[in-house]
Amino acid sequence: NAGVTQTPKFQVLKTGQSMTLQCAQDMNHEYMSWYRQDPGMGLRLIHYSVGAGITDQGEVPNGYNVSRSTTEDFPLRLLSAAPSQTSVYFCASRATRVSNQPQHFGDGTRLSIL
Amino acid sequence: EDKVVQSPLSLVVHEGDTVTLNCSYEVTNFRSLLWYKQEKKAPTFLFMLTSSGIEKKSGRLSSILDKKELFSILNITATQTGDSAIYLCAVNNAGNNRKLIWGLGTSLAVNP
Repeated sequence: NAGVTQTPKFQVLKTGQSMTLQCAQDMNHEYMSWYRQDPGMGLRLIHYSVGAGITDQGEVPNGYNVSRSTTEDFPLRLLSAAPSQTSVYFCASRATRVSNQPQHFGDGTRLSIL
Repeated sequence: EDKVVQSPLSLVVHEGDTVTLNCSYEVTNFRSLLWYKQEKKAPTFLFMLTSSGIEKKSGRLSSILDKKELFSILNITATQTGDSAIYLCAVNNAGNNRKLIWGLGTSLAVNP
């Protein structure tokens, strides 16, 4: 099993550009989420999904959109990139929507906005 | 407001030393506490603790939870350079069961 796969690993964007960070998991997990990790701020939840067709906002959702058309995929879209969105982005999944289970993380996407 | 505080923020030790990392929390409706290890890439799961006083152990790593004093410790004995990483603590709030509350992590460097 590949687990949680994120692409790309690195990306540089100009302010105002849009892009999609891809996340796929092959574990048939119900719950998927996106975090950003910044120095001194820890991991912050952007959006999450408890199943196909269901998404909800986390702590820092502004400037990001998500969709969950299949169980496997949970892409994160930056609508109009801003320098404040420079960060490392992690996608994570867990088996069910029940929170008392460990999450599995992808290797991250390092995103720089110029 | 719910919060998780880890200490120390960073630590430098020599191979063979024993280290203790701390995680204290203030969370309504506590459900569980999780420890993760983050090297260069993704955080990887170490332990999940739900009950006080029951030690979880994996090789040289062990962890225990105190729900009365609201903290957990992660012990690493006979440290190796491969233990160098950021150790993250997170707490599940049963009242808001769709997210974890994360600490900022402890950065551990083990020197040869």
